Amino acid sequence: QQPVQSPQAVILREGEDAVINCSSSKALYSVHWYRQKHGEAPVFLMILLKGGEQKGHEKISASFNEKKQQSSLYLTASQLSYSGTYFCGTESFNRDDKIIFGKGTRLHILP
Amino acid sequence: NAGVMQNPRHLVRRRGQEARLRCSPMKGHSHVYWYRQLPEEGLKFMVYLQKENIIDESGMPKERFSAEFPKEGPSILRIQQVVRGDSAAYFCASSPRDGDGYTFGSGTRLTVV
Repeated sequence: QQPVQSPQAVILREGEDAVINCSSSKALYSVHWYRQKHGEAPVFLMILLKGGEQKGHEKISASFNEKKQQSSLYLTASQLSYSGTYFCGTESFNRDDKIIFGKGTRLHILP
Repeated sequence: NAGVMQNPRHLVRRRGQEARLRCSPMKGHSHVYWYRQLPEEGLKFMVYLQKENIIDESGMPKERFSAEFPKEGPSILRIQQVVRGDSAAYFCASSPRDGDGYTFGSGTRLTVV
């Protein structure tokens, strides 16, 4: 099952914060986050494994609540370079080793 | 390290022709994944391969589509008798082991005319 991302789109001014959510109906082993700019390849941001851990990458961090099968990506003090589409990808608990991606959240940062 | 190399970047085929998309994973990466992306949509899983083995092809149409990752050379995604609906961006990704993040190639944009 494809994870569900919300919101579908966000418009922010530079310096504002954003939260992108990802939820699954299946038990998860891991959650991945990627960012894709228009016409480019998706770029890996971070992976979170079961255990409720939180990770950070510059001013971008994420959490994973395995009991609720949910993950959230936090973008703090957003920069123009953060614009793009953010995808969460989930690997199921049975470790079938493939990632299923959500439909993405489009983030546009205004100067 | 050259990253994941995909070619061609753009491919135009007439209906009924064959399309061959190539992907060379990053050095040291033995897991290869193919995804399809339509405009304004997410990445749809197609197939997962390791050297000489198809591990999971549950996302690939049963007809006209095939994939391989031979012992030597790149992974190939082959689409026979292409139709307009096959037009999309096809991305290849690789990882060194289970549970690692993926590195994506720049994709092949297939247009069927």
